[in-house]
Amino acid sequence: SAVISQKPSRDICQRGTSLTIQCQVDSQVTMMFWYRQQPGQSLTLIATANQGSEATYESGFVIDKFPISRPNLTFSTLTVSNMSPEDSSIYLCSVGDRGGNEKLFFGSGTQLSVL
Amino acid sequence: AQTVTQSQPEMSVQEAETVTLSCTYDTSESNYYLFWYKQPPSRQMILVIRQEAYKQQNATENRFSVNFQKAAKSFSLKISDSQLGDTAMYFCAFIQETSGSRLTFGEGTQLTVNP
Repeated sequence: SAVISQKPSRDICQRGTSLTIQCQVDSQVTMMFWYRQQPGQSLTLIATANQGSEATYESGFVIDKFPISRPNLTFSTLTVSNMSPEDSSIYLCSVGDRGGNEKLFFGSGTQLSVL
Repeated sequence: AQTVTQSQPEMSVQEAETVTLSCTYDTSESNYYLFWYKQPPSRQMILVIRQEAYKQQNATENRFSVNFQKAAKSFSLKISDSQLGDTAMYFCAFIQETSGSRLTFGEGTQLTVNP
């Protein structure tokens, strides 16, 4: 399985500021995803991070609020912009490869609290 | 739309006993993948077991096994010889082959293993 490093592991931020979360994988992967887990809830997909092109966002998530970069096959960032207390969640990076061997692995998550 | 339902918000089991967590899903496609993930308090999402829909045989991984009933769209997880370290939130998840590795999660079942 891929080794996924996600930073920061947690942060406390002020309303109106932005936070960038990094996801680094120890090998090249085809697919990278960002999920949100609100307190006491399940995981919801925010977007698919596409290498060399704009991310593909799910319904309810927009690029202005959650800009994503993916400069290569091992790295991606998610920015949570203009934060409000409603953005307090765990944000998780996930990676996987296609080719008939669907397995998705997750980073350790970023616990974000917005005051 | 694809959905995943876990009808047991909480379960408990005595150490060394066996417990079964339920999951049902809904899809109109014939090719898909089903997963069980474990999320301990560390919030790390850990892949427990994976089942390919076209395989009749139920997947097993050591103490973990599934009962996959394709016609009934049911995918339960059986944990044998429960250990204290199995205490975690368990999420059932689903990928359709056409969905580009995008996971849809159930609501989760909090499992507590009691000594």
